[in-house]
Amino acid sequence: EAGVAQSPRYKIIEKRQSVAFWCNPISGHATLYWYQQILGQGPKLLIQFQNNGVVDDSQLPKDRFSAERLKGVDSTLKIQPAKLEDSAVYLCASSSGLASYNEQFFGPGTRLTVL
Amino acid sequence: AQSVTQLGSHVSVSEGALVLLRCNYSSSVPPYLFWYVQYPNQGLQLLLKYTSAATLVKGINGFEAEFKKSETSFHLTKPSAHMSDAAEYFCAVSANAGNMLTFGGGTRLMVKP
Repeated sequence: EAGVAQSPRYKIIEKRQSVAFWCNPISGHATLYWYQQILGQGPKLLIQFQNNGVVDDSQLPKDRFSAERLKGVDSTLKIQPAKLEDSAVYLCASSSGLASYNEQFFGPGTRLTVL
Repeated sequence: AQSVTQLGSHVSVSEGALVLLRCNYSSSVPPYLFWYVQYPNQGLQLLLKYTSAATLVKGINGFEAEFKKSETSFHLTKPSAHMSDAAEYFCAVSANAGNMLTFGGGTRLMVKP
């Protein structure tokens, strides 16, 4: 079974530029999550989707971050414009459902460096 | 509200020694608790999870953790460390509808030969 795929793996941009990350979850997984992991910290949930609907985006900085999952499968996370403090690893995860006992499977992440 | 505290951002042990990584949680409802491991440049991999069944949970790679409600703890242990155990370990709690995880700050485990 293929795992969660993410691209690109690495991205370097200048501040105020835009960037987009892509995630393809495990086949059949209805729930998709985006996390931000700043160096030396644990992952922080940004947004959670159930199929193509948003379950929670309370920690997403909506003035610059946006995410979509239009067909309930792949998802993109965008930052526009980027700030220095956005430098982090962006992790995508998926699970088969919303129940708390459902394991979340993580992708390898996209490491973003903002200069 | 829920939170996780991992005591010790860095832990160093000798190969063959006991591994003990500490995790304390705060939750207003009975929690589900998880330990994840992260190797360099990789995503997180689930080691084990507590879902209100047995309080002693066994996971992969010889790790186990014990849920102690009175101490609000979920410490991770392994009897004998291997060099391959060197990684970052994260404790996480899910105590709400929607399976949203709150992670601790992580503990980097170093294993000396």
